[in-house]
Amino acid sequence: DTGVSQDPRHKITKRGQNVTFRCDPISEHNRLYWYRQTLGQGPEFLTYFQNEAQLEKSRLLSDRFSAERPKGSFSTLEIQRTEQGDSAMYLCASSSGVGYTFGSGTRLTVV
Amino acid sequence: GQQLNQSPQSMFIQEGEDVSMNCTSSSIFNTWLWYKQDPGEGPVLLIALYKAGELTSNGRLTAQFGITRKDSFLNISASIPSDVGIYFCAGWYNNNDMRFGAGTRLTVKP
Repeated sequence: DTGVSQDPRHKITKRGQNVTFRCDPISEHNRLYWYRQTLGQGPEFLTYFQNEAQLEKSRLLSDRFSAERPKGSFSTLEIQRTEQGDSAMYLCASSSGVGYTFGSGTRLTVV
Repeated sequence: GQQLNQSPQSMFIQEGEDVSMNCTSSSIFNTWLWYKQDPGEGPVLLIALYKAGELTSNGRLTAQFGITRKDSFLNISASIPSDVGIYFCAGWYNNNDMRFGAGTRLTVKP
């Protein structure tokens, strides 16, 4: 399978706990993106990597959020001290040009 | 910020009917894209449009990049049950991010 993989597919956590999601992009894609999607809305941009460099972060990405792409391959998105408002689908996408390939997402539920 | 207005929000049609949905923006985009999302999955790219006035087809799907670069439409001809899903327009604002509309939810009745 050469698509974008995300793990886990679902995560339920208690408010205040930390969570970490992983994204494995298509291997030849040097750009990696994280988006967040809430019910009834389109995906909203969070952050973007070109190789291992994090080049842009949205204002949506509060201090509790951190993303890494240490070797320019897989990426992790960590949310510290989760809040109920963090409940959403977190989508990863990769690209080598125009048009992204999305993963299936990680659905986070904060209870 | 960049705002994409997508309409209609939802559509209920009979199998075999044609469908039209559109997207408008308050700002100019360099590229318009149309995605389809099935429940529990990520969006899948359907069509990408790169210049004003461009009309592109992908099977039963046809999309156009508006002359003003502030709008785009997507048509689906002869709808079938597997067309059910949420259709998103997206505008490529710069090389670093893409903005999405809120989606059009399509239901096809057999």
